Amino acid sequence: SQTIHQWPATLVQPVGSPLSLECTVEGTSNPNLYWYRQAAGRGLQLLFYSVGIGQISSEVPQNLSASRPQDRQFILSSKKLLLSDSGFYLCAWSLGHPAAEQYFGPGTRLTVT
Amino acid sequence: RKEVEQDPGPFNVPEGATVAFNCTYSNSASQSFFWYRQDCRKEPKLLMSVYSSGNEDGRFTAQLNRASQYISLLIRDSKLSDSATYLCAVNIGGSYIPTFGRGTSLIVHP
Repeated sequence: SQTIHQWPATLVQPVGSPLSLECTVEGTSNPNLYWYRQAAGRGLQLLFYSVGIGQISSEVPQNLSASRPQDRQFILSSKKLLLSDSGFYLCAWSLGHPAAEQYFGPGTRLTVT
Repeated sequence: RKEVEQDPGPFNVPEGATVAFNCTYSNSASQSFFWYRQDCRKEPKLLMSVYSSGNEDGRFTAQLNRASQYISLLIRDSKLSDSATYLCAVNIGGSYIPTFGRGTSLIVHP
């Protein structure tokens, strides 16, 4: 069966510090991968998605970037965090084109202070 | 008009009640539809896909109305554990990217 891992679960970082969040999927090949952010009491905001290694599409221009160095690994990064980057970061995967149902990782709760 | 809209609620119902949520979508090219459940401070989890013929899973029934462009989720015999936010998601044909509604909050009380 497929599983998705995200770490860390929680993170407190000062403004201006770098960020690296990692997501890995097991038990499937060539998944579509997604990064979402959910601010407190808000909906899901799609940040990036990837349909293959090295292929990244950005949905929202901001100080975040994403990379997919391996088929089942998706990394979200920032060089300098802003207060507005605080939120609940979720990685998700799906299969196929068009994409079918998505499965989410447990998320990383980021607080920028 | 937003692409996918949900009544944020909260829907406050007693145990054992039947409750229904709707989710409207604006793009008639939408082809795939899903309901997710999100508990407080947790990730969304797939509840069920919504097929043209409808879909039933125990106490949960999902239906699609293409003519009026909405999907629905019916929960029968509500349990305290059903308290959560219910998100709908819609995929436009050929897209990798689903559009999520902002969710409907359900509170089931004793």
